Amino acid sequence: EIVLTQSPATLSLSPGERATLSCGASQSVSSSYLAWYQQKAGLAPRLLIYDASIRAAGIPDRFSGSGSGTDFTLTISRLEPEDFAVYFCQQYSSSSPLTFGGGTKVEIK
Amino acid sequence: DVQLVQSGAEVKKPGESLKISCKGSGYSFSSYWIAWVRQMPGKGLEWLGIIYPGDSKTRYSPSFQGQVTISADKSIGTAYLQWSSLKASDTAIYYCARHVSTVLPFDYWGQGTLVTVSS
Repeated sequence: EIVLTQSPATLSLSPGERATLSCGASQSVSSSYLAWYQQKAGLAPRLLIYDASIRAAGIPDRFSGSGSGTDFTLTISRLEPEDFAVYFCQQYSSSSPLTFGGGTKVEIK
Repeated sequence: DVQLVQSGAEVKKPGESLKISCKGSGYSFSSYWIAWVRQMPGKGLEWLGIIYPGDSKTRYSPSFQGQVTISADKSIGTAYLQWSSLKASDTAIYYCARHVSTVLPFDYWGQGTLVTVSS
């Protein structure tokens, strides 16, 4: 099973600042089958990015994903008030059980 | 519009059985995988397993194999997650989510079902 480790656990930033979230994998994620989700309190997760860098439908272009192999990054270029939430990465390689990272909470500084 | 609507919150005692549901609408239910995901209080997301309603093919996480059963009734567009004997540690929110294929992520999620197991 591929273990995903997200860092930092908490990111304290102000609106308008840039957020950089990391997701490291214990082994290479085949074909960059990595996604990012946003979860707000009391709600289900929402898909932001898939295949490491493709924005899902309706996701603003301030969200971008990058990386390959074992190191992946989610960047929010300028934080809006509605972006303060918890973010999870997920790998969905068909050769391995699907796994999630532990999450990064982006909180208002 | 694609929707996944889950059954309501449940309160059960240890040892009891339970079956929760996830009804899909607005798309061809038989043609998309449905996954189940657990979120324990204040914690992250854990994948339990998936089912393809078209032929009821299932795949389980090794961590949950034998602990839960995933099934589906394509005639009514509904997937299920069931336990034969609940434990206090099963207390969590359970989400269903749609997979276009097993090499794509979850594009739609249900609203979640809170399961509380307490004596």
